[in-house]
Amino acid sequence: GEDVEQSLFLSVREGDSSVINCTYTDSSSTYLYWYKQEPGAGLQLLTYIFSNMDMKQDQRLTVLLNKKDKHLSLRIADTQTGDSAIYFCAEPPNSGYALNFGKGTSLLVTP
Amino acid sequence: DGGITQSPKYLFRKEGQNVTLSCEQNLNHDAMYWYRQDPGQGLRLIYYSQIVNDFQKGDIAEGYSVSREKKESFPLTVTSAQKNPTAFYLCASSMSGADTQYFGPGTRLTVL
Repeated sequence: GEDVEQSLFLSVREGDSSVINCTYTDSSSTYLYWYKQEPGAGLQLLTYIFSNMDMKQDQRLTVLLNKKDKHLSLRIADTQTGDSAIYFCAEPPNSGYALNFGKGTSLLVTP
Repeated sequence: DGGITQSPKYLFRKEGQNVTLSCEQNLNHDAMYWYRQDPGQGLRLIYYSQIVNDFQKGDIAEGYSVSREKKESFPLTVTSAQKNPTAFYLCASSMSGADTQYFGPGTRLTVL
C-alpha cells in the first residue's frame, strides 16, 4: 500500500522556525495528526487538524493542510532545544484499524 | 491519573527465552495496539485488538503472541521464534479502531 512520507532529518538553529513536511495517502481522511517522540519515550499527541480546516494554530505550532496535494506541514516558531525530537505524521487508516504513521522526522535544534 | 503504563522500562533476555511485556490502560478504551520501533524504520504494527477477547495480526506478527482477557490489559509475549527481538516496544490505545491513539512510555528489550 501507499506510505505516509516524511523527510527523515531536519536541523535548525535555536530561535529559528522549523517546518516539518508530510505527504499523506487518503484524500478522504477526516483528520490528520502530529505526534512528538522525545528520546527514550513514547509518542505524545502534539496536535491534530480536521480535514475541513486549512490551518490550525496553537501557541508556537502552526499546522497547514493542503488537501489538493495531500500535504501536511508542522511549523514550530522560535524553535528551542527542547523541541529536539522525532515528529510523526499520521492519518486514519483507509483499511485496517490502526493509524497509518510516517517514518518520522528527527528534528535537531542546535544552540 | 489516567493513562497507559508499560512495564518494565528496560528488559534483558537471553536467547531462546520467552518474555512478556505488560501494557495496562485506565482510559476505558476498547482498542489496544502493539508496535515495534527500530532506528530509522518508524513504527511497525505487531498486533491490535478492537475489543476484549479479540485480536488481529498486524504487519510483523511472526514470533509474537498476545492476549486480551481484560479490557484494561494487552500483554505481548516475545517468543524464542522471533529472530531479532532487540527493539523498543510501544503500546497504544484508542476509544475505538482508527480513533486517536495514546501511547505508553515504551519498553526497551535487549537480547543478550
